[in-house]
Amino acid sequence: KAGVTQTPRYLIKTRGQQVTLSCSPISGHRSVSWYQQTPGQGLQFLFEYFSETQRNKGNFPGRFSGRQFSNSRSEMNVSTLELGDSALYLCASSEGLAGVDEQFFGPGTRLTVL
Amino acid sequence: AQSVSQHNHHVILSEAASLELGCNYSYGGTVNLFWYVQYPGQHLQLLLKYFSGDPLVKGIKGFEAEFIKSKFSFNLRKPSVQWSDTAEYFCAVTLDTGRRALTFGSGTRLQVQP
Repeated sequence: KAGVTQTPRYLIKTRGQQVTLSCSPISGHRSVSWYQQTPGQGLQFLFEYFSETQRNKGNFPGRFSGRQFSNSRSEMNVSTLELGDSALYLCASSEGLAGVDEQFFGPGTRLTVL
Repeated sequence: AQSVSQHNHHVILSEAASLELGCNYSYGGTVNLFWYVQYPGQHLQLLLKYFSGDPLVKGIKGFEAEFIKSKFSFNLRKPSVQWSDTAEYFCAVTLDTGRRALTFGSGTRLQVQP
């Protein structure tokens, strides 16, 4: 099976802009979770989608949002970008709910906000 | 809120040395425990996991971890490290009920010198 894919792999944006990141889970996986990885804060949970429904949300402002489509692909959107949003955004998929089934991680999207 | 502590931020070992990386979590209920590894330039991947049963779990590449409930710990061990074990190691926890999002520790960077 193909692994988790994320597009684009690299993005450069300026403050105030918005960005959409995409994640394609492993075939058959219904759960997609998003994480933010930064040197200062480490890996932090953003949200999880399962069968097109948001199941969990981390402690991030409302500028961070996401959705999942019927084919389990997921998108994450960040509006009104801030310098502190520069990070590696990781997507992970699992067959069942995250934390119960093993999560498989993608390579990430490196977002730089100038 | 649950938290995960990894006390060693950077560990340097020579090949064939034994490894033990500490992980402690703060939650009194039932937890699921994970160790993930991120090799340079690669995705996060699961090393091992503990849900229930034998508290000594074995993972890939000769790694094992022991769950000690009374100490809220899940330390990772390997009797003899190799240069190829150079990577960043993350401990993670999910609650068995309710919020199941992975809470990661800050990570331990392991450098194995040949």
